[in-house]
Amino acid sequence: EAQVTQNPRYLITVTGKKLTVTCSQNMNHEYMSWYRQDPGLGLRQIYYSMNVEVTDKGDVPEGYKVSRKEKRNFPLILESPSPNQTSLYFCASSPQQSSYEQYFGPGTRLTVT
Amino acid sequence: KNQVEQSPQSLIILEGKNCTLQCNYTVSPFSNLRWYKQDTGRGPVSLTIMTFSENTKSNGRYTATLDADTKQSSLHITASQLSDSASYICVVSGWMDSSYKLIFGSGTRLLVRP
Repeated sequence: EAQVTQNPRYLITVTGKKLTVTCSQNMNHEYMSWYRQDPGLGLRQIYYSMNVEVTDKGDVPEGYKVSRKEKRNFPLILESPSPNQTSLYFCASSPQQSSYEQYFGPGTRLTVT
Repeated sequence: KNQVEQSPQSLIILEGKNCTLQCNYTVSPFSNLRWYKQDTGRGPVSLTIMTFSENTKSNGRYTATLDADTKQSSLHITASQLSDSASYICVVSGWMDSSYKLIFGSGTRLLVRP
């Protein structure tokens, strides 16, 4: 089944404790992206990747890092999480950046205390 | 400023009724407009995608319209079902500052009651 998977689905952590949210897609898509979703706001892009070893900042990249060593994986790293990073995070992929169809993962709900 | 505004913020209707959700945008230049359905606790799922040359597109009981002149789109849901309860997100894409961007609306939360 074609899908985007994220792990973990739920995470509660403390300020400053490094964490990684994994994202994997099995559709051989070149383009992958991370978004955060907060109440009353639309999804906002954190980082995106056009292909392996090519990453770039989105609209809200501060406090996040990403890597794209393999085509299928695009982990999101929070080196020193803070409470303002409490949010719902989505990974998405598409064949190319401007492709019409974008597939979203199930989401990761992160709480930083 | 490139923005996507959706209305209403929330809507409650009875099962079997029709409803229309609105999306106004100021994104320019415009590439395409998408409507997504997001069930609670899940990722968005695409319903329709329209380019600037398309006026209407249907997906089952969902029909999207687009007026590129007035920069307005609507999503019409016919004969609503309980499973239509979800958030509906309008997304406009285009090339801005030499990069391809998707601008997301904040969504309309629809509740269908029996």
